[in-house]
Amino acid sequence: DIKMTQSPSSLSASVGDRVTITCQASQDISYYLNWYQQKPGKAPKLLIYDASNSETGVPSRFSGSGSGTDFTFTISGLQPEDIATYYCQQYDILPITFGPGTKVDIK
Amino acid sequence: QVQLVQSGAEMKKPGASVKVSCKASGYTFTGNFLHWVRQAPGLGLEWMGRINPHSGGTDYAPKFQGRVTMTTDSSISTAFMELRSLTTDDTAVYYCAREPVIAAGLDYWGQGTLVPVSS
Repeated sequence: DIKMTQSPSSLSASVGDRVTITCQASQDISYYLNWYQQKPGKAPKLLIYDASNSETGVPSRFSGSGSGTDFTFTISGLQPEDIATYYCQQYDILPITFGPGTKVDIK
Repeated sequence: QVQLVQSGAEMKKPGASVKVSCKASGYTFTGNFLHWVRQAPGLGLEWMGRINPHSGGTDYAPKFQGRVTMTTDSSISTAFMELRSLTTDDTAVYYCAREPVIAAGLDYWGQGTLVPVSS
């Protein structure tokens, strides 16, 4: 199985801050990497697909980049409604695997 | 609009089985793979497998192979996930999720079904 790691595991930032989360795959997954946001008690929501493409309706402050084994997710201007846990997910090779998540809250 | 509506919470005892349903609407049911993902309390997301409603073909995560069965009934646009030989470690919220045609991410999710397993 492809192992996905994320860092940090949690972070606290101020409203308006730029927030960056990294995700690393244990082997080359090309661009087959997605990012999800999950708020407490809710199902995950797809934000970014294929490493850098924004899902329809997702605010432009959310972005992704990377390929191969190293990926980055950025919130450019943290908003109070962005408090959530963020997961990366690879779908290059089955079984699909998720990163352990990064919990984001407001300082 | 696309919707996935799951069956309600079910409490189970160790050794029992659970069958969760996921009713789809707002799109052509046979046109998209459906995935099942679970989340134990306070933990991350774990992929269980997927089914092609058109062919019935399945792919299961090795961890669940032999213990899970995913099926669909296209006449009612519903997918099912049955997990057998439950243990307390199977206590989780179980989600169904749709894979878009171009297979990039899981774009619509059910609301989740809580399955507590306890004696």
